[in-house]
Amino acid sequence: DVQMTQSPSNLAASPGESVSINCKASKSISKYLAWYQQKPGKANKLLIYSGSTLQSGTPSRFSGSGSGTDFTLTIRNLEPEDFGLYYCQQHNEYPPTFGAGTKLELK
Amino acid sequence: EIQLQESGPGLVKPSQSLSLTCSVTGYTITSGYDWSWIRKFPGNKMEWMGYISNSGSTNYNPSLKIRISITRDTSKNQFFLQLNSVTTEDTATYYCARSPTGRRYWYFDFWGPGTMVTVSS
Repeated sequence: DVQMTQSPSNLAASPGESVSINCKASKSISKYLAWYQQKPGKANKLLIYSGSTLQSGTPSRFSGSGSGTDFTLTIRNLEPEDFGLYYCQQHNEYPPTFGAGTKLELK
Repeated sequence: EIQLQESGPGLVKPSQSLSLTCSVTGYTITSGYDWSWIRKFPGNKMEWMGYISNSGSTNYNPSLKIRISITRDTSKNQFFLQLNSVTTEDTATYYCARSPTGRRYWYFDFWGPGTMVTVSS
């Protein structure tokens, strides 16, 4: 299976700031990486797939970049609703596998 | 809009079977897409467990292949998870989710809110 290493595990920021979350695959996954936001009691939200394609409804302050083994999710001008848990997931190879998550907290 | 909702027992005894239902509204599961079960362990690790396709074929994570079964009831627009011989290591929050069909489309665009299952005697 492709191992996904996500960093940092925890991140503290203030509204208005920009943050980046990284995801590294144990082998090349081409561009096939998805990002999700998870909040307690709410359905997980797909933000980005295929590395940089925004899912319908994802605000433009979210962006994804990278290919091969190294990927980044960037959130610009943080809004209060952006705080939560973020996961990366490779969708290049079966079985799909997830990173360990990054908790984005309010500073 | 499409909605998914998991249901089932919150407590299962070791060695027994875990059975969960995913009820889908707003989309017919035979119309397209694949329908997956995914779980999140305490400590946040996520694992894709398997899917049933819109045609009824299944595909399972090799790590679970001998214990898992995913079936469906098209008349109720539901699909089901059965995990046999559970241990405390199967304690997790279980999610159902939808993904587009096809190679390299194994990302999940709609999820249920999740249901927590504890395996304990």
